[in-house]
Amino acid sequence: RKEVEQDPGPFNVPEGATVAFNCTYSNSASQSFFWYRQDCRKEPKLLMSVYSSGNEDGRFTAQLNRASQYISLLIRDSKLSDSATYLCAVPHGSSNTGKLIFGQGTTLQVKP
Amino acid sequence: DAEITQSPRHKITETGRQVTLACHQTWNHNNMFWYRQDLGHGLRLIHYSYGVQDTNKGEVSDGYSVSRSNTEDLPLTLESAASSQTSVYFCARKPRDRGMQNTEAFFGQGTRLTVV
Repeated sequence: RKEVEQDPGPFNVPEGATVAFNCTYSNSASQSFFWYRQDCRKEPKLLMSVYSSGNEDGRFTAQLNRASQYISLLIRDSKLSDSATYLCAVPHGSSNTGKLIFGQGTTLQVKP
Repeated sequence: DAEITQSPRHKITETGRQVTLACHQTWNHNNMFWYRQDLGHGLRLIHYSYGVQDTNKGEVSDGYSVSRSNTEDLPLTLESAASSQTSVYFCARKPRDRGMQNTEAFFGQGTRLTVV
């Protein structure tokens, strides 16, 4: 099993739709989780951090399910500009190694 | 606000040549990382450093080396470039973790390397 797994998609949704992605992780000791957004041919940029049960920022909600070892990203009222690849990242090994392990990303295409 | 610069942004090189990709950060962060990104594989860790004179191998380190002579720079060297090393390379800086709370990584704009 990979340390961090994501469904690569693509997820094709109409504008205004609600879409959710999951990311499963294998390290049960992980305390922090991150969602990054990556536009085509650009660098990943931090979208949201999750340090406890979840986090919300406008149309974006991240939730953590420790029992099942996954984090989810929910996007409400999708915009065309939300089209991108969404990467989740989980610390590697013990909490203070400083290394992050990334999933391969989930591609979202929002259609008019 | 990445404040981490990579150069060159694009490079084409021939098989067997030595190539060095530069990474420079102005945040004085000890933790720096090199990743490569390929279709179907996501970001894979090549090498990383926790401070001056410290270097460590990552998941896909074969054929690569790094050096850390100062806090600001972590150059990545391909000893003898191979076609399999055609990829997009990202350098990242990362603040020190805060106790049990891990910090996020900030990425440079990437270097697109083609080995022909």
